[in-house]
Amino acid sequence: DTGVSQDPRHKITKRGQNVTFRCDPISEHNRLYWYRQTLGQGPEFLTYFQNEAQLEKSRLLSDRFSAERPKGSFSTLEIQRTEQGDSAMYLCASSSSKTRVDEQFFGPGTRLTVL
Amino acid sequence: GNSVTQMEGPVTLSEEAFLTINCTYTATGYPSLFWYVQYPGEGLQLLLKATKADDKGSNKGFEATYRKETTSFHLEKGSVQVSDSAVYFCALPTGSSNTGKLIFGQGTTLQVKP
Repeated sequence: DTGVSQDPRHKITKRGQNVTFRCDPISEHNRLYWYRQTLGQGPEFLTYFQNEAQLEKSRLLSDRFSAERPKGSFSTLEIQRTEQGDSAMYLCASSSSKTRVDEQFFGPGTRLTVL
Repeated sequence: GNSVTQMEGPVTLSEEAFLTINCTYTATGYPSLFWYVQYPGEGLQLLLKATKADDKGSNKGFEATYRKETTSFHLEKGSVQVSDSAVYFCALPTGSSNTGKLIFGQGTTLQVKP
């Protein structure tokens, strides 16, 4: 078990461009979460998957954001037409409904900078 | 929904000093409570947890007791080290108990000087 991995670790893009991030959860975990963390703040929930189904989305997730988890394994988070306000750390976490659903394990994050 | 409030930082201590970081919460029922730590440039790591009232979570010399009377989960360590310098987040589940999504405090930065 190598833990939760995220790719890329850093992304710099120009305003208006699209970006996509990937998260690979712990292999036996069926639940996957995306959070966003801005400077000096705690993470804020964006969306949650159980297996391949996206079961909840935050109001923070505007129409420009889309997340997928095909086949219930890795997940991608895409941001279209990026804005400077999208600059943040995007964190992925996973957990197992067979143990404790609220005990989440986090990846290292993807830091997005929108110029 | 549930909420959590942490003491504001930064907290600056000398090595071997005693640490307390306050955390209070409001919640429906008695959810699990967590402390996460974030080292510079890294993601969050679970530091400790408590799953019911009066439980004491502990790890790496850190402790926190789930106090339902005062709705608190303060983090303590008897003797901090330079390597403890990081940002600490108090967290609990919010929303439906089936999702497991967490709500976090704003974080408290700890800086330990040699």
